[in-house]
Amino acid sequence: SYELTQPPSVSVSPGQTASITCSGDKLGGKYACWYQQKPGQSPVLLIYQDVKRPSGIPERFSGSNSGNTATLTISGTQAMDEADYYCQAWDSSIVVFGGGTELTVL
Amino acid sequence: QVQLQESGPGLVKPSETLSLTCTVSGGSISSYYWSWIRQPPEKGLEWIGYIYYSGSTNYNPSLKSRVTISVDTSKNQFSLKLSSVTAADTAVYYCARVGGSSSVFRSGFFDYWGQGTLVTVSS
Repeated sequence: SYELTQPPSVSVSPGQTASITCSGDKLGGKYACWYQQKPGQSPVLLIYQDVKRPSGIPERFSGSNSGNTATLTISGTQAMDEADYYCQAWDSSIVVFGGGTELTVL
Repeated sequence: QVQLQESGPGLVKPSETLSLTCTVSGGSISSYYWSWIRQPPEKGLEWIGYIYYSGSTNYNPSLKSRVTISVDTSKNQFSLKLSSVTAADTAVYYCARVGGSSSVFRSGFFDYWGQGTLVTVSS
């Protein structure tokens, strides 16, 4: 079965750039999405189709996808960005989520 | 604005069947795929399955033998049944809409989510 691998945790200082990776076999040939989940809340769509942002999502969130890795980049990270982040892709009509990355802003 | 609301028992006994319903408001259930996703306490997201408004379904292979998702377009609802539950099925269960138009199975994404409902499996 297809797997997506994320680092369990990433730390970043306020105002700096955070990068969260999502790895999977030939992931660059698929579309990747990213979700943000804060404690006690439902996930929120941040990025879809590799690079697109839904309306209302700040421009500091961006995505890329090439080779075996999709990357979520948060520029000028703010304290409010501290959350869990999940990548997601499709494989043979099946939905696959990454294991999630806890972003700490310190 | 599309809204989704999960409903159903918060406590289910081991070996019994978990049943949840998702009510969609602010939009029609037609012309979209709808999904169930769960999250065990302190763990990540797990996709359970999806259904098209016409009734076609697909399930996570790891749960396929125990899962049934159905739709009632007249009520703008879709439902989940998970049989023979164990403590490992304790989780927050979310319903969500699959957004995107063409090539949903390649480029689809979950654009609307319910608030989630905690289901505990315990005697």
